[in-house]
Amino acid sequence: DVKVTQSSRYLVKRTGEKVFLECVQDMDHENMFWYRQDPGLGLRLIYFSYDVKMKEKGDIPEGYSVSREKKERFSLILESASTNQTSMYLCASRSGANVLTFGAGSRLTVL
Amino acid sequence: GQNIDQPTEMTATEGAIVQINCTYQTSGFNGLFWYQQHAGEAPTFLSYNVLDGLEEKGRFSSFLSRSKGYSYLLLKELQMKDSASYLCAVRVPASGNTPLVFGKGTRLSVIA
Repeated sequence: DVKVTQSSRYLVKRTGEKVFLECVQDMDHENMFWYRQDPGLGLRLIYFSYDVKMKEKGDIPEGYSVSREKKERFSLILESASTNQTSMYLCASRSGANVLTFGAGSRLTVL
Repeated sequence: GQNIDQPTEMTATEGAIVQINCTYQTSGFNGLFWYQQHAGEAPTFLSYNVLDGLEEKGRFSSFLSRSKGYSYLLLKELQMKDSASYLCAVRVPASGNTPLVFGKGTRLSVIA
């Protein structure tokens, strides 16, 4: 089975801190995605990448950046965390047009 | 813009059948997915429809009508463990590595 691993399940950070969320997949998938999930708003796409060093903005990229230096790893970066970035962050990967496989999620609280 | 609508919440009785509807208005279409998400867990894939009709997989079935922009997920012989959120998602536009657009999810509660 494809495994998508997110490094941290729970994080608590302070406003203004720089935050790194790491995601690693083990099935050589080309495409990787970062979503955030909030009650009443569903899953919203932040950024995605379809190849190493490539990135595309999703629907809500403001306040975030990403890094894809290796095929298996896709990192989400909050340069200066704010309280409205408190959320559940879900990483996913996919090969071509196939099914998305999600990681377990990282619940971030910004105080 | 992309718009995917599904009911916010539904309640059904153990052993019964429930139908969760999803309507979509998108700029293109190349398939509709249903995911299940238990509280605090990652979404997991349930079904995929790209052609009109019904796809059956055990207790779960999914239907698609592209002309109506409509899909439903049918859950039979409901079990308590089916209590979860069900997410409808559409792939747009019609090719390439584009991401899925998700609806807000339907939270299903199965009661005894």
